[in-house]
Amino acid sequence: SYVLTQPPSVSVAPGKTASITCGGNNIGSKGVHWYQQRPGQAPVLVIFYDSDRPSGIPERFSGSHSGNTATLTISRVEAGDEADYYCQVWDSSSEHMVFGGGTKLTVL
Amino acid sequence: EVQLVESGGDLVQPGGSLRLSCAASGFTFSDYWMSWVRQAPGKGLEWVANIKQDGSEKHYVDSVKGRITISRDNAKNSLYLQMNSLRAEDTAVYYCVRTALILRIFYGMDVWGHGTTVTVSS
Repeated sequence: SYVLTQPPSVSVAPGKTASITCGGNNIGSKGVHWYQQRPGQAPVLVIFYDSDRPSGIPERFSGSHSGNTATLTISRVEAGDEADYYCQVWDSSSEHMVFGGGTKLTVL
Repeated sequence: EVQLVESGGDLVQPGGSLRLSCAASGFTFSDYWMSWVRQAPGKGLEWVANIKQDGSEKHYVDSVKGRITISRDNAKNSLYLQMNSLRAEDTAVYYCVRTALILRIFYGMDVWGHGTTVTVSS
């Protein structure tokens, strides 16, 4: 089965840039989606299909991929960005949706 | 307002059964694939199952195959998850999720309910 690997935690100072990675075999061939989950809340889609932002998501959130790694970048980090972030793909060969293990973003 | 509201979560003994429901509103329910995603206490997200717009395709994570069935009633704008032979490891918050899968291109899970809690314990 397809596996997505994320670092368990990332820390960043307010106003700086946070990068959260998501590794997977040939991930560039799949659309990667990113979700933000604040404590006690349901997840929210923040990036879809590698780099598109849903309506209402700040431009500070961006996505990219290179090789076997996709990256969620959050610019000018704010205290309210502190949350768990999950990457996801659809593995069309198995028809399964796959989530990464999640990354806890801490704003120092 | 686009909304998904889950219900049916409860405390159930191992080996028991439970049926979760999800009421959709604010969008044309029959236009979308729908999914259930769960999150065990302190753990990450796990996709459980999804179902095509007309119910003709259903897919499941391997750990629930044969025990859990996803279904929908488009006339009632409702999604269901029938859970049988429940195990302790099924303990989780279960989210109902709108799934943008169009012509075999997946655009993400763009609407989530607030979740319903299933606890499997004796």
